[in-house]
Amino acid sequence: NAGVTQTPKFRVLKTGQSMTLLCAQDMNHEYMYWYRQDPGMGLRLIHYSVGEGTTAKGEVPDGYNVSRLKKQNFLLGLESAAPSQTSVYFCASSYMGTSPLHFGNGTRLTVT
Amino acid sequence: GESVGLHLPTLSVQEGDNSIINCAYSNSASDYFIWYKQESGKGPQFIIDIRSNMDKRQGQRVTVLLNKTVKHLSLQIAATQPGDSAVYFCAELRADGLTFGKGTHLIIQP
Repeated sequence: NAGVTQTPKFRVLKTGQSMTLLCAQDMNHEYMYWYRQDPGMGLRLIHYSVGEGTTAKGEVPDGYNVSRLKKQNFLLGLESAAPSQTSVYFCASSYMGTSPLHFGNGTRLTVT
Repeated sequence: GESVGLHLPTLSVQEGDNSIINCAYSNSASDYFIWYKQESGKGPQFIIDIRSNMDKRQGQRVTVLLNKTVKHLSLQIAATQPGDSAVYFCAELRADGLTFGKGTHLIIQP
């Protein structure tokens, strides 16, 4: 039982490049989330999904897109990376909206 | 605006002492709170949770206290060990997910 797995663990992008962060969970959870963590800012919600085929905006959605084509996967896309998107990105999942979240170990992204 | 926050960015305690980490929230309608522990290089890890119909909940070496009158939440760690060194976040569960405080870095002194 791997829990929540994020790939890649590290990535460096140049301004304007695009990439997709992958998140997979094997707990059959309905809800999945993408957060970013910046020094002094805590974790901020980017997008979330309440089930396969659904997505919704969180607190800081601009510059990101997501897709939930399969229940176990939640993808976070950056179409045109900016230095302000340098951060550590965490994916999480939960059984339902009122259950504790289980987090992956993060993806550290640097945009130069 | 409404927020969840921790009182201190850093807390230093002696190994073996008890640790108390505090959190204030402003949304009086919130009814579910969670404490997370985040070690360096890892994702947040669930420690303990509490619902608003409770004042206290105990786990293994940890206790969470909820004071709804003053909208205050605390995490108590008994007999603090080196492995407790981490950043601790309180979080408030809302319809769109968890809202986190900025965290308290717990430092254990030998």
